[in-house]
Amino acid sequence: AAGVIQSPRHLIKEKRETATLKCYPIPRHDTVYWYQQGPGQDPQFLISFYEKMQSDKGSIPDRFSAQQFSDYHSELNMSSLELGDSALYFCASSLRGRTSGELFFGEGSRLTVL
Amino acid sequence: RKEVEQDPGPFNVPEGATVAFNCTYSNSASQSFFWYRQDCRKEPKLLMSVYSSGNEDGRFTAQLNRASQYISLLIRDSKLSDSATYLCVVKFAGNMLTFGGGTRLMVKP
Repeated sequence: AAGVIQSPRHLIKEKRETATLKCYPIPRHDTVYWYQQGPGQDPQFLISFYEKMQSDKGSIPDRFSAQQFSDYHSELNMSSLELGDSALYFCASSLRGRTSGELFFGEGSRLTVL
Repeated sequence: RKEVEQDPGPFNVPEGATVAFNCTYSNSASQSFFWYRQDCRKEPKLLMSVYSSGNEDGRFTAQLNRASQYISLLIRDSKLSDSATYLCVVKFAGNMLTFGGGTRLMVKP
């Protein structure tokens, strides 16, 4: 079965550069979430989209922005990168209204800022 | 204070042992509760939802205590393959999930 696809899997950038991460949710899932997980940390919620509209907003820095496109894929744009942005970025998708509340996560994009 | 708190462990147990984790949450308006499992450098995956009446799935039992605002996970007859980080997850208002810091379990032969 198709899962959540994230790209790139690994990314190395330098301070003050920009980066874009992409996420392709499971087909027919209507909600996309972005989480950031630093080394030894729990996943921190950044932002989510439902039917291409921003749904919830968490601890996403102002330097980051995200959107969901008409084909339901989502992109997380990160500018003026800082060393502290080095982390594993997970995208997850779900079908709103499902009582299980299960989120299906992609394998993550590992960003390293030098 | 974090909204969802867990003992980070690690819990080191021998194969066959029974181990239990607790998780406390601060928001009494919390709606739904889950346990996710995360293997090293992998994505989190749903282990089980936690229902008010408690629920069991094979060797795993989850319970919810709304009055004391905690949930628990009990693992019986631990296997080597149970070694992982167990994340307590709570859904507050909206549709986002808030993760606890995770409890690391190491099952040894």
